[in-house]
Amino acid sequence: QKEVEQDPGPLSVPEGAIVSLNCTYSNSAFQYFMWYRQYSRKGPELLMYTYSSGNKEDGRFTAQVDKSSKYISLFIRDSQPSDSATYLCARNTGGFKTIFGAGTRLFVKA
Amino acid sequence: EAGVAQSPRYKIIEKRQSVAFWCNPISGHATLYWYQQILGQGPKLLIQFQNNGVVDDSQLPKDRFSAERLKGVDSTLKIQPAKLEDSAVYLCASSLGSGTYEQYFGPGTRLTVT
Repeated sequence: QKEVEQDPGPLSVPEGAIVSLNCTYSNSAFQYFMWYRQYSRKGPELLMYTYSSGNKEDGRFTAQVDKSSKYISLFIRDSQPSDSATYLCARNTGGFKTIFGAGTRLFVKA
Repeated sequence: EAGVAQSPRYKIIEKRQSVAFWCNPISGHATLYWYQQILGQGPKLLIQFQNNGVVDDSQLPKDRFSAERLKGVDSTLKIQPAKLEDSAVYLCASSLGSGTYEQYFGPGTRLTVT
């Protein structure tokens, strides 16, 4: 079982839609979670991070962790064509290694 | 603030040849990472340096891959000899320290082995 699993998509939505991106994880140790955005032929860039449980909001983006079901979500409100990218979830146990999911490709159509 | 620099951006080699990638992290960042990202997958950590010491190289294929970080600043990743399955994007990232969650990535080097 992979430590972080993501549906690779692609996910295609119309402009203005609410997007929900999800990951599951298998390790129960204390950890924090991150969402990175990766545009084509670019390196990933950190969007948001959150600790073991709860929500965090930043503009149009909300990150949510459900510890009981080991589920991580990223919501994008009022999606824009510029949001079209691959979204990578990642976890870190507070130690040295960050484990990335495979990423979900998102297309937002104008 | 200048970002993480990598070169070359693209490289095509034949199998069994050797290749080297270079990375210059953000100034003042103590931790440097090399990742391998195969098409359709997430980045996989190859090696992590804290200053010029190796913190984690458990997933580095040491029979063919080597890396060094000169004077705790820039770094070189080498593959010798290359195999077809080494075709991937090699990403360099840096962070202030090993315990920090925010890593800053360079644009990557796209390697094609034919």
